[in-house]
Amino acid sequence: DAKTTQPPSMDCAEGRAANLPCNHSTISGNEYVYWYRQIHSQGPQYIIHGLKNNETNEMASLIITEDRKSSTLILPHATLRDTAVYYCIVGSSNTGKLIFGQGTTLQVKP
Amino acid sequence: GAVVSQHPSWVICKSGTSVKIECRSLDFQATTMFWYRQFPKQSLMLMATSNEGSKATYEQGVEKDKFLINHASLTLSTLTVTSAHPEDSSFYICSARGTGSLNEQFFGPGTRLTVL
Repeated sequence: DAKTTQPPSMDCAEGRAANLPCNHSTISGNEYVYWYRQIHSQGPQYIIHGLKNNETNEMASLIITEDRKSSTLILPHATLRDTAVYYCIVGSSNTGKLIFGQGTTLQVKP
Repeated sequence: GAVVSQHPSWVICKSGTSVKIECRSLDFQATTMFWYRQFPKQSLMLMATSNEGSKATYEQGVEKDKFLINHASLTLSTLTVTSAHPEDSSFYICSARGTGSLNEQFFGPGTRLTVL
């Protein structure tokens, strides 16, 4: 499975957009980019995933570069409840296995 | 939709005893379930992959005789920690993966195990 690189921490002002970057330069053709987040002492929450096209849902937008070597998760209007560890994971849709890295701790500040 | 539950949410046991943790997909059928372990201030570590009706596949370094996994139905998987020791104290999280539009994994709330 391809590995990902994320900054260990980021801050964002409440009400502003939070842009979380992720590098996955070794991603292969059939691997998806998944984003999950984990609030302290809870199970991870699914946010969004994509293969090569940009995706948007009620929670966030996912922008994947044309060469698929990096992506950005966008939370359009961050709230204090969005404070969490955000994991960018590259995984195969065949096996379904997700290998978690260290993620980015996003702190949303008032 | 896509809700996964775990039971119990927390458990305290004595060293040497066995503990069973249940993982249920409440509103979808899970062809595959996964078990993770998370130590404080660390990321999730995949322990095993469980497919309904077949033996679980364990990740390297995970003892299959210590962590028994049973996936008897499309909505239930269990993890039994046998002869638990204090070093097994951890946060155990399961996830379930469906089919079609539910191809992604949905996670349970986790079970906090403390072994005294």
